[in-house]
Amino acid sequence: GQQVMQIPQYQHVQEGEDFTTYCNSSTTLSNIQWYKQRPGGHPVFLIQLVKSGEVKKQKRLTFQFGEAKKNSSLHITATQTTDVGTYFCAGGGSNYKLTFGKGTLLTVNP
Amino acid sequence: DAGITQSPRHKVTETGTPVTLRCHQTENHRYMYWYRQDPGHGLRLIHYSYGVKDTDKGEVSDGYSVSRSKTEDFLLTLESATSSQTSVYFCATSQGSAEAFFGQGTRLTVV
Repeated sequence: GQQVMQIPQYQHVQEGEDFTTYCNSSTTLSNIQWYKQRPGGHPVFLIQLVKSGEVKKQKRLTFQFGEAKKNSSLHITATQTTDVGTYFCAGGGSNYKLTFGKGTLLTVNP
Repeated sequence: DAGITQSPRHKVTETGTPVTLRCHQTENHRYMYWYRQDPGHGLRLIHYSYGVKDTDKGEVSDGYSVSRSKTEDFLLTLESATSSQTSVYFCATSQGSAEAFFGQGTRLTVV
């Protein structure tokens, strides 16, 4: 079945440094979604990418979807302590199943 | 937040007992999902539903069953709880390929 790999598993940065997490799927995706989960909370939707090569920005966050629609990345510029949490990518298939990566736990040292 | 309510929020149960977790939504979303979250494993899909009485297995369905008798409710049953089923369980809903909305989670401990 569909597998979604996400790296790194953990990332610790100093406040102000950049952060990137990468997601790779074993199959071509119809879309990719990104979620953020704060410690003790539930996953919250950030964005969805649908088109090959798509790039979207949300303030300091930049999301990319690969040309082959099998990989994606999330880049945060100049991290802040409010960025702390686990970032998940989720691959959407043709049957509306959402397959999540294992997530990247981001910690930020003030 | 979307109207997704999970109950109970916390439960401690004994090995071998049946347990049912409930997910209730007020969004009229067609798709509903049950995930479990464990350290180092992220979110793993247990079962999902694509309509009333229409369900399918996810990647970790063994030991779990589900039912959806109406649009707003999706029940997850552990037929005979085991310690390996100690986890945090999340319900999610979506309308097709759009974003998924998650409930607050249920922390289940099997002793």
